[in-house]
Amino acid sequence: EVQLVESGGGLIQPGGSLRLSCAASGLTVSGNYMSWVRQAPGKGLEWVSVFYSGGSAYYADSVKGRFTISRDNSENTLYLQMNSLRAEDTAVYYCARADCGGNSCLDLWGQGTQVTVSS
Amino acid sequence: SYELTQPPSVSVSPGQTASITCSGDKLGDKYASWYQQKPGQSPVLVIYQDSMRPSGIPERFSGSNSGNTATLTISGTQATDEADYYCQAWDSSPLYVFGTGTKVTVL
Repeated sequence: EVQLVESGGGLIQPGGSLRLSCAASGLTVSGNYMSWVRQAPGKGLEWVSVFYSGGSAYYADSVKGRFTISRDNSENTLYLQMNSLRAEDTAVYYCARADCGGNSCLDLWGQGTQVTVSS
Repeated sequence: SYELTQPPSVSVSPGQTASITCSGDKLGDKYASWYQQKPGQSPVLVIYQDSMRPSGIPERFSGSNSGNTATLTISGTQATDEADYYCQAWDSSPLYVFGTGTKVTVL
């Protein structure tokens, strides 16, 4: 079965760091464009970052310089290192695969992991 | 940065047709996708490349995209279609742009 499973969320104080993981099965993170999307409580979807199969990484302006996306091919896992966390980073974070020809859409999503930034 | 605008809510009677619009500058020049999200669940792709349906998505879901507007149409709406719907386009900045979201209520 093709699936993505996120982990690593939790309660963290403002200014703290957290690393999210996305374990893939039935697909390889190295062979796909892999993305992180978040959803704040009661709000819409917000794209966060993408890691291209060729190794390039891109970020939303709201997290640039604070978040880093990476992958471990041997573990078949995608990561999101989040530093200098703010209250506005509180959200459910989803891992997703970009595909649909030209990688224009996100066709496979994980179940999400909750990140709460609060003192 | 690029923005996509959707109506906050759409109401539809069972068996009728619901249309959800998504507006953005020259959106017709980009591929539009649509996602369905039910409470407490992850988003599910229902339309990609403007009008293509992933396997497993019912035929009552269809899409179009032209000019500045993409439209998701649900024909013969069922109670199970009640959910939030988000459009999405692929652009240069940010790369994956989501619409503001539309809550579909089946009355």
